[in-house]
Amino acid sequence: NAGVTQTPKFQVLKTGQSMTLQCAQDMNHEYMSWYRQDPGMGLRLIHYSVGAGITDQGEVPNGYNVSRSTTEDFPLRLLSAAPSQTSVYFCASSYGGGNSPLHFGNGTRLTVT
Amino acid sequence: AQKVTQAQTEISVVEKEDVTLDCVYETRDTTYYLFWYKQPPSGELVFLIRRNSFDEQNEISGRYSWNFQKSTSSFNFTITASQVVDSAVYFCALRDSNYQLIWGAGTKLIIKP
Repeated sequence: NAGVTQTPKFQVLKTGQSMTLQCAQDMNHEYMSWYRQDPGMGLRLIHYSVGAGITDQGEVPNGYNVSRSTTEDFPLRLLSAAPSQTSVYFCASSYGGGNSPLHFGNGTRLTVT
Repeated sequence: AQKVTQAQTEISVVEKEDVTLDCVYETRDTTYYLFWYKQPPSGELVFLIRRNSFDEQNEISGRYSWNFQKSTSSFNFTITASQVVDSAVYFCALRDSNYQLIWGAGTKLIIKP
C-alpha cells in the first residue's frame, strides 16, 4: 500500500499562475482533506470531502478549488497563485470521522513569487 | 466553539530527561476524539495516539504515555527518558461532532544530546 501520495513535492509559481496539487490514496478512505501549514499556525483546513462527488469548504478555502470524481483522488487547484499561498500543503485521508486517524501525504512545499 | 490550546510553543531539554507536552481542549460535545501527531524535521505527519471521550484510561507505549483528564479538559503527552530522535513538533487535535479536526498550534520539542 502506498498510503497517501502527493505530487509534486516542491513547486515554485509566479503570481497569477495556476496549478493543481495531486493527491491519491489507495486505502479506500471516504474522507479526504487538504491542509496548509504555515509557521506558528499549525494546520488549517482548506477543503474536505466525505465521499466521491461531495466537497465542502474548510477554514481557509479562498483561492482554492477541489473536486472528488473518484474515491481515490482529491486534487487541489490554485486558480491564480498569490504570495500569500506560499505554504506547505498536506493531503490527508481517513476511513471516516469519529476516532479514525488521518493519514497524511508527505506534503508539497509551494513558493509563490 | 471547539478549540485546542498547546501553550508551550517550544521546549528544550537534555537527553534522558522526562518531558510533558500540554494539550487543553474546549468542546460542547459529550462525544469527541483526541489525537496526537508528531512532525519530525523531515516534515511528515505521523499519527501517535487517539482517545475517545468516554475512555479516560491512560495509555503507555514504551517511553510515551498519555494522560487524559476530562475534568480539566486536558490530554497531556509525556516522553520518559527523552532521546534526540524525539525532537519534533507535536500536535494535539480534537474531533467532535463532524469530520474536521481542530488542531493546536504545536509544540516544538528540542532534545539536546
